[in-house]
Amino acid sequence: GESVGLHLPTLSVQEGDNSIINCAYSNSASDYFIWYKQESGKGPQFIIDIRSNMDKRQGQRVTVLLNKTVKHLSLQIAATQPGDSAVYFCAETEKNNRLAFGKGNQVVVIP
Amino acid sequence: DGGITQSPKYLFRKEGQNVTLSCEQNLNHDAMYWYRQDPGQGLRLIYYSQIVNDFQKGDIAEGYSVSREKKESFPLTVTSAQKNPTAFYLCASSMSISSYEQYFGPGTRLTVT
Repeated sequence: GESVGLHLPTLSVQEGDNSIINCAYSNSASDYFIWYKQESGKGPQFIIDIRSNMDKRQGQRVTVLLNKTVKHLSLQIAATQPGDSAVYFCAETEKNNRLAFGKGNQVVVIP
Repeated sequence: DGGITQSPKYLFRKEGQNVTLSCEQNLNHDAMYWYRQDPGQGLRLIYYSQIVNDFQKGDIAEGYSVSREKKESFPLTVTSAQKNPTAFYLCASSMSISSYEQYFGPGTRLTVT
């Protein structure tokens, strides 16, 4: 909701620059990861996913990188636009088929 | 236009009252979920349902109840037993319980005073 972005790490990015958002996950057995975008006052939207047998996946203007050695996931947004301002969070699968969600990072695009 | 709807967007209640949050989907998904979102925290699972007439407790089910009488609908009741009910509530659905891709509704902001 409106207050989701409070108390979160914030990344300020100049419009047109690339953004990198990081996520550390905890379960080395997770086989699927998702990045979500949540704009103020709205529900999360699916951006991109990646399976554990891959280390990189590209979408439109977004790339997800997976480093299983250090249990790290990153989301790269190319040519960041004002509409990219939002909270971004990762999710990983748990043993019981459920998703565990990260706390998120607030991205603020400076025009 | 397929999707998940939640109503209302904002809800205000007095302490001690039960309140029911609506969630409807027309995606023909079997599985539905309720999450709670608090500032600075990840989504926490309250209840989920794999199929009609079935539901399971999530990580923070105390003080909440649900029903799944129809495939399209998964209402959440926040009871007076929930100690800290003020939060942003998100409903989601997925094709099946084994499908990881969850689609979220727009959320309901509940304020209890």
